[in-house]
Amino acid sequence: GAGVSQSPSNKVTEKGKDVELRCDPISGHTALYWYRQRLGQGLEFLIYFQGNSAPDKSGLPSDRFSAERTGESVSTLTIQRTQQEDSAVYLCASSLATDQPQHFGDGTRLSIL
Amino acid sequence: AQSVTQPDIHITVSEGASLELRCNYSYGATPYLFWYVQSPGQGLQLLLKYFSGDTLVQGIKGFEAEFKRSQSSFNLRKPSVHWSDAAEYFCAVALYNNNDMRFGAGTRLTVKP
Repeated sequence: GAGVSQSPSNKVTEKGKDVELRCDPISGHTALYWYRQRLGQGLEFLIYFQGNSAPDKSGLPSDRFSAERTGESVSTLTIQRTQQEDSAVYLCASSLATDQPQHFGDGTRLSIL
Repeated sequence: AQSVTQPDIHITVSEGASLELRCNYSYGATPYLFWYVQSPGQGLQLLLKYFSGDTLVQGIKGFEAEFKRSQSSFNLRKPSVHWSDAAEYFCAVALYNNNDMRFGAGTRLTVKP
């Protein structure tokens, strides 16, 4: 079956521009997660959605980062006024329930010039 | 503070040799434990997980991991490494459920012919 789909796979933009990253979770998965993976580093948790509950935004690095999710479907991660330090791979994952493993997409590689 | 440590940044083994990747955690309670693999240019793939029960867990691709409560460790092992195992390996933990998964910094595995 279809896995977690992320788009675009690559994004190059100029500093100061806004970018929007998209994640389509596996159908039926109630939980959705965003992570950031900087070059040579581990994964940083950004934000988590579970059903219709208010999202856990504890990992968002600044107020330039925001995310939305429509019901239990697609999610978008928006970065406003991008900075070079935002360059990273942004990974999305979904899970069937909170006690089930996360399934990851292939990520969006974001490069800020 | 809660933390996940992978002490080895980079490991090189010969094809056919055995492998052990270390993972230690510091949590207030026994967390859920995971190992993920990330091949170059690809997303994360779950190798195995431990929630409860038998402390020796079998995963895909011939990998296994052993949970040792007394050592707060969850080391990944494989008896005979294949060239296709060259990748980045991440240990991850989540307390009680999946909504606060923390990753180690990763261990890069190189396989010599």
